[in-house]
Amino acid sequence: DAGVTQSPTHLIKTRGQHVTLRCSPISGHKSVSWYQQVLGQGPQFIFQYYEKEERGRGNFPDRFSARQFPNYSSELNVNALLLGDSALYLCASSLWAGDGEQYFGPGTRLTVT
Amino acid sequence: DAKTTQPTSMDCAEGRAANLPCNHSTISGNEYVYWYRQIHSQGPQYIIHGLKNNETNEMASLIITEDRKSSTLILPHATLRDTAVYYCIVRGASNFGNEKLTFGTGTRLTIIP
Repeated sequence: DAGVTQSPTHLIKTRGQHVTLRCSPISGHKSVSWYQQVLGQGPQFIFQYYEKEERGRGNFPDRFSARQFPNYSSELNVNALLLGDSALYLCASSLWAGDGEQYFGPGTRLTVT
Repeated sequence: DAKTTQPTSMDCAEGRAANLPCNHSTISGNEYVYWYRQIHSQGPQYIIHGLKNNETNEMASLIITEDRKSSTLILPHATLRDTAVYYCIVRGASNFGNEKLTFGTGTRLTIIP
């Protein structure tokens, strides 16, 4: 069975640019969460979407936004990139919004120069 | 969600049981204990979770003390592939607003050949 997939694997952007990261959940999973992991720290929660609605938002600026599509895939958008946005961005899927058993993708490594 | 405390690092000999402790003294009655691990350069992987009874699955066992203020994750026969950062997470029940996983810095477990 296919796990959570994310694209692209790696990305290099310049300060001020915009980036879109994509995630496809496990088949049958309706909830997608996004996390940011900077080097040496644990993942930090950014958003959760369930049935195309935002169900949770972490302490991130409005430059970060996301959406979920009818097929339950999701996009994370970050505007006006800063050097501090350089991180591994992880997507996790679960059967439903309250499910703590989440399955993570391999992540997208974003480098902002 | 309640705060957790874990040792920064631990070593374990290959083939022996690895016992990873976690303190969560402020845990509430409806909060679960989850364990995830993250192997280098991969997304976190769900291991096990429990409320108050001990739990076992094909990967590990979870022992929760009677007062629920601490728990231990046991990997019964550690292999080199178990080298990873292990995260203990306390998470509320599946109510709106408790969807996120709050990761700390975890325990870096190194399996020694």
